[in-house]
Amino acid sequence: GAGVSQSPSNKVTEKGKDVELRCDPISGHTALYWYRQSLGQGLEFLIYFQGNSAPDKSGLPSDRFSAERTGGSVSTLTIQRTQQEDSAVYLCASSLDWGDTQYFGPGTRLTVL
Amino acid sequence: AQRVTQPEKLLSVFKGAPVELKCNYSYSGSPELFWYVQYSRQRLQLLLRHISRESIKGFTADLNKGETSFHLKKPFAQEEDSAMYYCALLEYGNKLVFGAGTILRVKS
Repeated sequence: GAGVSQSPSNKVTEKGKDVELRCDPISGHTALYWYRQSLGQGLEFLIYFQGNSAPDKSGLPSDRFSAERTGGSVSTLTIQRTQQEDSAVYLCASSLDWGDTQYFGPGTRLTVL
Repeated sequence: AQRVTQPEKLLSVFKGAPVELKCNYSYSGSPELFWYVQYSRQRLQLLLRHISRESIKGFTADLNKGETSFHLKKPFAQEEDSAMYYCALLEYGNKLVFGAGTILRVKS
């Protein structure tokens, strides 16, 4: 079946603009995760969804970052007033349930000029 | 805080040589550990998970609780093994804590 998909694959934006990144998990997977991969920080956890609820938002770096998940499926990560330090690859993963193996999407490369 | 350490940024070996990618962890509990691999221009993918005790593509990893290690090993490296390898710890059942990664370069 289809794996995790993310869009767009690349996004270039100007400092101060808002961006939305989308994730389509594997069908039937109840858990969804966002991570960020950057040169300086490596791979960092951002937020975890179980169904439409986000029990763990501990990795969101600031209040400019938010995420939602609707219908237990698609998730959107929104970054408001982007800064240059937000430039990174944003990865989405999904798993069948809490604690199961996480499968990753191809990522969205965000560049903030 | 939970932590995963991969001490080598780059490991370069010749084809046919043994490979050992090191991973050490700190975790106050019973750890669940993974190795993920990222080949050039491909997505991050699971290589193996310690509870399954499988051997994937000839790689194995044994959890050593005494040494808090989960080193990845392969007896004979192949050129197609060249990739970035990440060791990861599952924290509280819901998030992966990754090491910094090790680039494996297999030379012919």
